[in-house]
Amino acid sequence: EAQVTQNPRYLITVTGKKLTVTCSQNMNHEYMSWYRQDPGLGLRQIYYSMNVEVTDKGDVPEGYKVSRKEKRNFPLILESPSPNQTSLYFCASSPLELASSETQYFGPGTRLLVL
Amino acid sequence: DQQVKQNSPSLSVQEGRISILNCDYTNSMFDYFLWYKKYPAEGPTFLISISSIKDKNEDGRFTVFLNKSAKHLSLHIVPSQPGDSAVYFCAASASKSGNEKLTFGTGTRLTIIP
Repeated sequence: EAQVTQNPRYLITVTGKKLTVTCSQNMNHEYMSWYRQDPGLGLRQIYYSMNVEVTDKGDVPEGYKVSRKEKRNFPLILESPSPNQTSLYFCASSPLELASSETQYFGPGTRLLVL
Repeated sequence: DQQVKQNSPSLSVQEGRISILNCDYTNSMFDYFLWYKKYPAEGPTFLISISSIKDKNEDGRFTVFLNKSAKHLSLHIVPSQPGDSAVYFCAASASKSGNEKLTFGTGTRLTIIP
């Protein structure tokens, strides 16, 4: 079954304690991306990756890091989480070029609370 | 700067009637548009898309209309069913941007009343 998995699904942490949210896809997609969803703001892109070892900033990259050492994995790293990073996070993947028959597949989401 | 706007945060429709969800965009570079559906505790799932070379795309009960001159698209669901109750996100991408990023609207919560 084609899928994007994220772990953990729920996380409560404290300010400043480093954390990593993992993302893995089994569709051999080149493109992977992280979004955050906040009330009244929709989904906003944090970082994206066009392929292994190729990453770039999205619209809201501050306070986040990513890495793409393998094609299937794209972890999101919060080195020093702050309360304004409390959000719902989604990982997504797709073939490199979105065409009329392609789409991005989303993971189930990770709900993060930073105290 | 919200480049994709869904001005109705919520919509209630009687079962069997037509649901119309609207979306406006400002970036003329957008050339591919999608609708995603999201249930609670799940990620968004793709529903239907349309390329800017078309003005209509139909898939079963779902039809998306694109009016490029007005920078407006809409999703029609007919007939509406209780299982259609969800949050619907409009999204857009610019294929020549070099980033397959989807720019999302803020979502419309659709409730189908039995």
